[in-house]
Amino acid sequence: DAKTTQPPSMDCAEGRAANLPCNHSTISGNEYVYWYRQIHSQGPQYIIHGLKNNETNEMASLIITEDRKSSTLILPHATLRDTAVYYCIVRDHNYGQNFVFGPGTRLSVLP
Amino acid sequence: KAGVTQTPRYLIKTRGQQVTLSCSPISGHRSVSWYQQTPGQGLQFLFEYFSETQRNKGNFPGRFSGRQFSNSRSEMNVSTLELGDSALYLCASSLGGVSGYTFGSGTRLTVV
Repeated sequence: DAKTTQPPSMDCAEGRAANLPCNHSTISGNEYVYWYRQIHSQGPQYIIHGLKNNETNEMASLIITEDRKSSTLILPHATLRDTAVYYCIVRDHNYGQNFVFGPGTRLSVLP
Repeated sequence: KAGVTQTPRYLIKTRGQQVTLSCSPISGHRSVSWYQQTPGQGLQFLFEYFSETQRNKGNFPGRFSGRQFSNSRSEMNVSTLELGDSALYLCASSLGGVSGYTFGSGTRLTVV
């Protein structure tokens, strides 16, 4: 079972920041937080991952709380092409764990 | 660099037949994983191969099998197809460690 909880859906206005929350209250010390997204009928696309520090790349920022029990993915200026299902996953690579996908959050960016 | 390539993109098979799907990972990636995606069950893990060895297996019946070759290319096979096997089958490759997966575009299998 997925170790994360995400809202099933969210809306965001085009051009505004999209903040997608994820709860992972049982995360262990070695588990990383990963974010993927899937645009209709395509394979999931890697966005970003982190352990405890905040991370930023050209796509998004990842904010992880100090206790690591939750995180937020931030798309700073959402566009219509960011409409997708966003998955938050925790994984311990040391044990060769596979990625377990939950239902994710369906983000709709509205014009 | 080339991404993960899955062939074929679309496939229609009849119940009872078997099917083989192919996946070519990104060059240098030694880990290949397979997922099944259906509207009802979402993305479900099938198995993972690393250096030709199955390292992890999901909760699927023995009709689902896979293998990995020395060049890291992978195939999965489904025997005695059932209507419920209709799905998008996704392959993903990884360098391993903390690296994320890169997914292919998938093979959409329809069983009639």
